[in-house]
Amino acid sequence: EAQVTQNPRYLITVTGKKLTVTCSQNMNHEYMSWYRQDPGLGLRQIYYSMNVEVTDKGDVPEGYKVSRKEKRNFPLILESPSPNQTSLYFCASSLRQNTGELFFGEGSRLTVL
Amino acid sequence: QKEVEQDPGPLSVPEGAIVSLNCTYSNSAFQYFMWYRQYSRKGPELLMYTYSSGNKEDGRFTAQVDKSSKYISLFIRDSQPSDSATYLCAMANQAGTALIFGKGTTLSVSS
Repeated sequence: EAQVTQNPRYLITVTGKKLTVTCSQNMNHEYMSWYRQDPGLGLRQIYYSMNVEVTDKGDVPEGYKVSRKEKRNFPLILESPSPNQTSLYFCASSLRQNTGELFFGEGSRLTVL
Repeated sequence: QKEVEQDPGPLSVPEGAIVSLNCTYSNSAFQYFMWYRQYSRKGPELLMYTYSSGNKEDGRFTAQVDKSSKYISLFIRDSQPSDSATYLCAMANQAGTALIFGKGTTLSVSS
């Protein structure tokens, strides 16, 4: 089954404790991206990757890091989480460059206390 | 002026009604237009995908794009309770360097 898998699905953590949200896709997609979704603000892009070892900032990259060492994986790293990073996070992938045909993961709800 | 405007709703309709969801946008460079459906506690899923202007139909769903007016619509015929979800419009430019989402319209279909 074609899918984008995120882990963890739910996480409560404390300010400053480094965490990683993993994302893996089994569709051999070149393009991967991370979004956060907040009430009243909609989906906002954090980082994206056109291919292995190629990453770029989206609209709200501050406080986040990513890496793309393998085609299937695109982890999101919060080096020092803060309460304003409490949000619902989605990983997405697409076969080619980003023309909008995105497959989304189920989401990771993060709470930073 | 915001790049994409979408009425957040909520929109409540009875089962069987025709639903019209709309977005307006300001960037004339957008060429790809999408509608995503998002159920509660789930990720968005691509519902309709169109390129440039025109209509596209898929079962009970019809997507319309009017590039001259910078206006896109999603029509749902014979709406069902299972259509209750948040609908997000999205659009991208030809180069794929810009993809933007509307904030979503929440639809509730009552039986």
